[in-house]
Amino acid sequence: QKEVEQNSGPLSVPEGAIASLNCTYSDRGSQSFFWYRQYSGKSPELIMSIYSNGDKEDGRFTAQLNKASQYVSLLIRDSQPSDSATYLCAVISQAGTALIFGKGTTLSVSS
Amino acid sequence: DGGITQSPKYLFRKEGQNVTLSCEQNLNHDAMYWYRQDPGQGLRLIYYSQIVNDFQKGDIAEGYSVSREKKESFPLTVTSAQKNPTAFYLCASQGQNTGELFFGEGSRLTVL
Repeated sequence: QKEVEQNSGPLSVPEGAIASLNCTYSDRGSQSFFWYRQYSGKSPELIMSIYSNGDKEDGRFTAQLNKASQYVSLLIRDSQPSDSATYLCAVISQAGTALIFGKGTTLSVSS
Repeated sequence: DGGITQSPKYLFRKEGQNVTLSCEQNLNHDAMYWYRQDPGQGLRLIYYSQIVNDFQKGDIAEGYSVSREKKESFPLTVTSAQKNPTAFYLCASQGQNTGELFFGEGSRLTVL
């Protein structure tokens, strides 16, 4: 069973701080990795996708991938109260095309 | 606007009734997916289709059925055989080259 693991949180950070969200996956052959943000009662929206080792930056968001250690992380700089949401990590395993999701980490940014 | 349209957004059903959730996309994507989300849980894959007239079971297909007669449409039927159907149902289509999923707004089903 392919698995994606995340700490459920809640992760609490003050406004303006860096929030660090982590995710590990079990299928070493996985090639595609995604971070989604989900507000309460809403559907997930794509924040970042990353396919190769290293960092990928988009505005205040940075995704980091380390295939050797089988983890992917999301950094949110200058966190805002509007960033308060559940963040879902998702992976496409080597054998398939469907995304496998973790259970999500709840982030709370206090003003 | 391009996107995924799910309907209805809210649905109430009595036990023993079948219900069909609609999903339509105009992104010209080949692959479409249905996921289920329960409170505090991640998304679990019900069914997916990579091409018209073909679909595959996901991890929790029991009690559900789908069809893919048109590229744009991928309806999900929740049958009376599904033991715990109350959940948030999410339909998505997948970008051809990126693998990214784009979700509809979801359908929230409550069984009374």
